[in-house]
Amino acid sequence: QQQVKQSPQSLIVQKGGISIINCAYENTAFDYFPWYQQFPGKGPALLIAIRPDVSEKKEGRFTISFNKSAKQFSLHIMDSQPGDSATYFCAASMGGYSTLTFGKGTMLLVSP
Amino acid sequence: EAGVAQSPRYKIIEKRQSVAFWCNPISGHATLYWYQQILGQGPKLLIQFQNNGVVDDSQLPKDRFSAERLKGVDSTLKIQPAKLEDSAVYLCASSRSSYGYTFGSGTRLTVV
Repeated sequence: QQQVKQSPQSLIVQKGGISIINCAYENTAFDYFPWYQQFPGKGPALLIAIRPDVSEKKEGRFTISFNKSAKQFSLHIMDSQPGDSATYFCAASMGGYSTLTFGKGTMLLVSP
Repeated sequence: EAGVAQSPRYKIIEKRQSVAFWCNPISGHATLYWYQQILGQGPKLLIQFQNNGVVDDSQLPKDRFSAERLKGVDSTLKIQPAKLEDSAVYLCASSRSSYGYTFGSGTRLTVV
């Protein structure tokens, strides 16, 4: 079964610190790796995504690092802010019209 | 553009009762998904529609769950009869491809 394994389950970071969330996948046919951010009572919202032809993608304070040989990718949140407190999900798909497979999520709390 | 609309936002039913959820996707998005999100877990795909045809319903418990997408626009998801373990948030998403899902805010179902 296609799986995406995410860690840690929860994370507490001080304001201004770096938050790091890791994911590992098994299916080498995956070619699209997005991260979603979910606030309580809301649906997940696309945060940033990467394709396997690049090793890193940065958008503002958010960076995805991708290691194809290790089948791992991670989300780094620089200068973490209390407003970043949310649940983060990694996901993967084979692109086209294939569906996203999600990790179990990481609950991030950024303390003031 | 308007987002994915879902209703109702909350529903409480007794086990063995039936319930239906409604979703209106973003205009022009041919692909529609229903996901189930159990508390503390990532979204799990139930069914994927392409226009009004089913692409993937392999994880839909067909003995109690059904879904339809008439005229390739709105969709309804029905559970009959509901079980305690169906308590979850039911998320609808739409996209032009798997590279850009947009989720609705979901329907929180509690089965007592």
